[in-house]
Amino acid sequence: AQRVTQPEKLLSVFKGAPVELKCNYSYSGSPELFWYVQYSRQRLQLLLRHISRESIKGFTADLNKGETSFHLKKPFAQEEDSAMYYCALMNNAGNMLTFGGGTRLMVKP
Amino acid sequence: GAVVSQHPSRVICKSGTSVKIECRSLDFQATTMFWYRQFPKQSLMLMATSNEGSKATYEQGVEKDKFLINHASLTLSTLTVTSAHPEDSSFYICSARVGGRRPEAFFGQGTRLTVV
Repeated sequence: AQRVTQPEKLLSVFKGAPVELKCNYSYSGSPELFWYVQYSRQRLQLLLRHISRESIKGFTADLNKGETSFHLKKPFAQEEDSAMYYCALMNNAGNMLTFGGGTRLMVKP
Repeated sequence: GAVVSQHPSRVICKSGTSVKIECRSLDFQATTMFWYRQFPKQSLMLMATSNEGSKATYEQGVEKDKFLINHASLTLSTLTVTSAHPEDSSFYICSARVGGRRPEAFFGQGTRLTVV
């Protein structure tokens, strides 16, 4: 069974502070991992996928297979980063996309 | 990015009636579509996965006779909530996977179902 855990339901930081949203997973195969973001009253949007190793809106995430983690990081948080962030895992067959519980990021001015 | 359209965005129905929710991939062919349910302030709960032309795979605890999923084409999947009850009131979200070299899924805007 695959499982995604986001230990923090809420993360509150001040503007300009570093941010790390934690994500741990459990999966027996080689996972495809993603971060999705949901801004207020908008649909879920893909933020990052681990295979791309890209930086989007200043966010990066590194897959650590040893620690089974895929934490999302940003060195300097902005107020517009305030949103719900979901870590998600797709199985190898591509027929199951499982989400973590989500972390609400609040960036205070 | 790829666009997924969900319709209706909001629906109110009476107990005992059935409601159909459509999920369309507008600019790509979706090999797989997912249906989720989201309760207030909670994460997305996967209900079922559907592949075009085959029966949907339901997650444990999801009644397949209650939540009928049809994936008739590569661009359309439907979720029908049959004999709706007030406890079926929720936010239902679909997503569609491009497939191939693009494993990620794109999401519809969701449907708020209220059963009265």
